[in-house]
This record gives sequence, C-alpha cells and structure tokens, in this order.
Amino acid sequence: AQTVTQSQPEMSVQEAETVTLSCTYDTSENNYYLFWYKQPPSRQMILVIRQEAYKQQNATENRFSVNFQKAAKSFSLKISDSQLGDTAMYFCAFMKGYAGNMLTFGGGTRLMVKP
Amino acid sequence: DARVTQTPRHKVTEMGQEVTMRCQPILGHNTVFWYRQTMMQGLELLAYFRNRAPLDDSGMPKDRFSAEMPDATLATLKIQPSEPRDSAVYFCASGLEGLAGGNEQFFGPGTRLTVL
Repeated sequence: AQTVTQSQPEMSVQEAETVTLSCTYDTSENNYYLFWYKQPPSRQMILVIRQEAYKQQNATENRFSVNFQKAAKSFSLKISDSQLGDTAMYFCAFMKGYAGNMLTFGGGTRLMVKP
Repeated sequence: DARVTQTPRHKVTEMGQEVTMRCQPILGHNTVFWYRQTMMQGLELLAYFRNRAPLDDSGMPKDRFSAEMPDATLATLKIQPSEPRDSAVYFCASGLEGLAGGNEQFFGPGTRLTVL
C-alpha cells in the first residue's frame, strides 16, 4: 500500500513571497504519478500540478513548480509570488500505475497568505 | 463547460435514515471515484468504477454503504442506515482512462452530509 505524508499541517507566507510545501511518499511501484491539489474554502478540489515519475524534469505551471526527488521519494511544491487567492488547503496525492487508478492523499497543509 | 455535478450539495438527516448521493460524471469519462473527507481521516477512497464495473470498494463499510452506476451518466452512493460518524463531505470524481485521458481526476463540488 502507498502512503503519502505532509509534515506541515499549517504554513503562512507574506504576499509576493515564496513558500515551499513538503510531501513524502512511500511506494514499491516504479511507475506512478504525483499531484498537488488545492482546496479553497469553497471545498472545490482543483488540480494545481502533476508529475509523471518517469520524467526527470520537474513540472512547472506558472507560479507553481515542484521539486521531485524520486530516490528520496519527495515531492515538494513551490509557490512563487504568493497571492491572497493561494490561501487554501493543499493536498499531495499519489496515483500508481497508469491513468485511471485511485488517488491516495496526504493529510494536507493549510496555507495562509498574509497581506 | 464540462464538469462533474453532485446532488444534493448539503444534506442533514437523522440517524437511521437512508441517504442517497448522486453524481453525474463528465460525459465520455469512463472512471468514477467516490472519496470521503473528514477532519480525522482526511480524504479517503470509498469506491471506484471503470466502465461502470466496480473495481475497488474496500474502503467502504459494506454493511451500510453501497455504490452503483446504473448507467454511464449516473453514479450513486447510498448509506442505510446512516450514523453520526458518517458526517463528512463526499466527493465524486471522474476521469478518462488511457493515453488520451491523461491522468487527471475531475472533482465534483461535494455533498456535505450531517447525520444528527
């Protein structure tokens, strides 16, 4: 079974600053995908960024980037130029094998962006 | 604008009552997932379907929960009888298996269930 751990229950950052959210996972799989989801107060789950394990290059989506360390089983999310709208819960998630499989989520990190 | 829809958005019921939650996946998606979110357990998978066939419902209490897909446009999650510990937000998500679908799951807005 896979496990996903987010060691930071809460974090805060000043607007326009950079923040990094941590995620580690445990798996014996070689082929898998990793995701970061954002959940604002509306409860809607929004995909922020994804990474395929077979790709060495770290994924980037505008102000969001990841640091994927496969050997260390680490998958951190960096948010640059933080905005007030980034305030939300952030969940790291793991999907084994191929597309169409279930997601295993970490416990979440609550991020507060302060003006 | 394709999106997953869930009804009802909120449900308050009394212990012992039957609860039915419905989900309409995105048209053309062939995988459907039910997740439950609580403060204590976080987000956990209850059941999922591929091409309407149940694949994994090991996370679901079998004695009171049931999940079905009567057709490709409707997934249901039933709780009978409901208990206060079932109070949670229930999410439905859908996706498209295979290379064309990538690997994203699209989530519905959730059903917030309160069992008194």
